[in-house]
Amino acid sequence: AQKITQTQPGMFVQEKEAVTLDCTYDTSDQSYGLFWYKQPSSGEMIFLIYQGSYDEQNATEGRYSLNFQKARKSANLVISASQLGDSAMYFCAMRGMDSSYKLIFGSGTRLLVRP
Amino acid sequence: EAQVTQNPRYLITVTGKKLTVTCSQNMNHEYMSWYRQDPGLGLRQIYYSMNVEVTDKGDVPEGYKVSRKEKRNFPLILESPSPNQTSLYFCASRGRYYEQYFGPGTRLTVT
Repeated sequence: AQKITQTQPGMFVQEKEAVTLDCTYDTSDQSYGLFWYKQPSSGEMIFLIYQGSYDEQNATEGRYSLNFQKARKSANLVISASQLGDSAMYFCAMRGMDSSYKLIFGSGTRLLVRP
Repeated sequence: EAQVTQNPRYLITVTGKKLTVTCSQNMNHEYMSWYRQDPGLGLRQIYYSMNVEVTDKGDVPEGYKVSRKEKRNFPLILESPSPNQTSLYFCASRGRYYEQYFGPGTRLTVT
């Protein structure tokens, strides 16, 4: 069965510093996709970044980058130059293997950026 | 602006009173789905639709109905809401890399 594990329930980071949010995954599929979402206190789910299992380079989107280590089955999110608006829950997810194409989410990491 | 919209954003209702949560996307996506988010349980898929007139059950479909008569719309229907359906509901549509774009969410309270 597929599973996403986020072992950091909560983290603090100082404004303008970089932070890494951990994510490990388990799947028997050879082709898969990994995603990160941000959920601010207002509740919406915001898509941040995608990494395909066959992508040779780590994905980047602005201040977000994904540190993809396939052999370790990890897909950590790196946020550079943290801003106060980055304070939110962050979810790692992967695409389900069945025909539903549902996303399988981790339990999330709550990030608090300190001024 | 590419987006998924949901209405209403907030709803308080009583047990048994039928309600519909609307969902619309303007990205011409074929695939759409509904999730509910509950503390300790995370996000769970309720229903999904691969295309117009093609819908199927997700992991927690009991008590819900959906329809997909147009590509852009995917309403969620609660025929007889119960308190255990109190939740945060998200509609989503899928992009080319299987990423899903979520609507702003609907906070439903059933008393």
